[in-house]
Amino acid sequence: AQSVTQLGSHVSVSEGALVLLRCNYSSSVPPYLFWYVQYPNQGLQLLLKYTTGATLVKGINGFEAEFKKSETSFHLTKPSAHMSDAAEYFCAVSEGKGTYKYIFGTGTRLKVLA
Amino acid sequence: GAVVSQHPSWVICKSGTSVKIECRSLDFQATTMFWYRQFPKQSLMLMATSNEGSKATYEQGVEKDKFLINHASLTLSTLTVTSAHPEDSSFYICSAAAGANTEAFFGQGTRLTVV
Repeated sequence: AQSVTQLGSHVSVSEGALVLLRCNYSSSVPPYLFWYVQYPNQGLQLLLKYTTGATLVKGINGFEAEFKKSETSFHLTKPSAHMSDAAEYFCAVSEGKGTYKYIFGTGTRLKVLA
Repeated sequence: GAVVSQHPSWVICKSGTSVKIECRSLDFQATTMFWYRQFPKQSLMLMATSNEGSKATYEQGVEKDKFLINHASLTLSTLTVTSAHPEDSSFYICSAAAGANTEAFFGQGTRLTVV
């Protein structure tokens, strides 16, 4: 069975500081990994995804994540936080191509301090 | 990316009534659609998987008679919450997928409030 663990339900950073949101997964097959952002009362917006190939993936709004198989991790980073980054972030895993059933982490609420 | 639309965005209904939520794939044919439920400040929990023309597959603990799912066409799936109660109040999100994609596409969600 697959699972996703997001360490830190709440993360606060200063504007301009590095953002690091942690995600670890478990999967018995090569996974597809995703990061989504959710603003209040809205749906999910895809930030980036890892399927195959290059392990460092770049997404929208300056975010990137690195797939580390040996560490079963897919941490999300952004070099410089902006006030507009304040939102809920979800890491998700699926069992690869052709499987669209996602297991979500518990989410991390990012707060950006002025 | 592909567009998935949910309707309505929010709905308030009286306890004991039923409410239907629609999930449409606007620019692709979705062979599979998924329904998730999100309680306040919590993660998304998969409720069921629906494939066009067949019965939905429900996750453990989800009452199939309470949450009726219909996937009658390749672009539309509906979730009907029957005999709604206040504890059914939640944010419901659908996703849709087709075999050619590497990801599912999410709707904007429906906020259900049962009073």
